[in-house]
Amino acid sequence: KAGVTQTPRYLIKTRGQQVTLSCSPISGHRSVSWYQQTPGQGLQFLFEYFSETQRNKGNFPGRFSGRQFSNSRSEMNVSTLELGDSALYLCASSPGEGSGYTFGSGTRLTVV
Amino acid sequence: GESVGLHLPTLSVQEGDNSIINCAYSNSASDYFIWYKQESGKGPQFIIDIRSNMDKRQGQRVTVLLNKTVKHLSLQIAATQPGDSAVYFCAESDTGRRALTFGSGTRLQVQP
Repeated sequence: KAGVTQTPRYLIKTRGQQVTLSCSPISGHRSVSWYQQTPGQGLQFLFEYFSETQRNKGNFPGRFSGRQFSNSRSEMNVSTLELGDSALYLCASSPGEGSGYTFGSGTRLTVV
Repeated sequence: GESVGLHLPTLSVQEGDNSIINCAYSNSASDYFIWYKQESGKGPQFIIDIRSNMDKRQGQRVTVLLNKTVKHLSLQIAATQPGDSAVYFCAESDTGRRALTFGSGTRLQVQP
């Protein structure tokens, strides 16, 4: 079956702009989590959605937001981009019981 | 706060040898642990997981050992191959939190 699909793969934005990233989970998975990966901070949890509801949120500013649609696809948005937001953004799909996380290939965001 | 760490940032082994990657975690409430492999330009790939009610689990050429007393996790790779070269992350969670906390990663280099 198809894996986790993240689009776009690469993105270059200017400081102050906003960006929306998309994630399509594995068919049948109802949970989508987002992570930020940087060389300095490693992999950090952003938020988790299940059945269109945010169940958990990491320690990131309010500029980072997300949503989940009825088909379980998820988007995350970052507003007022800063240089430090440059990172690999990863989406993980799971059935929703807190295990079985499968990651996508990520979206590489560069803020200039 | 809670964290997951690795003792060795880089591990170099000869092809055919066994590899052992170690990980320490600090959250005693963690009940679910995963090892991921990440190759350049890709998202983390699931290797093996283990729940806190077990102390050992085996997969194909891999074994995960969990010592809850000292909060230590290890990944053993048998007959290491060049294709095993990657960065390996341990991650932990408690089922209620539904968010993974990752270690900083260990780079495994396999010499032919």
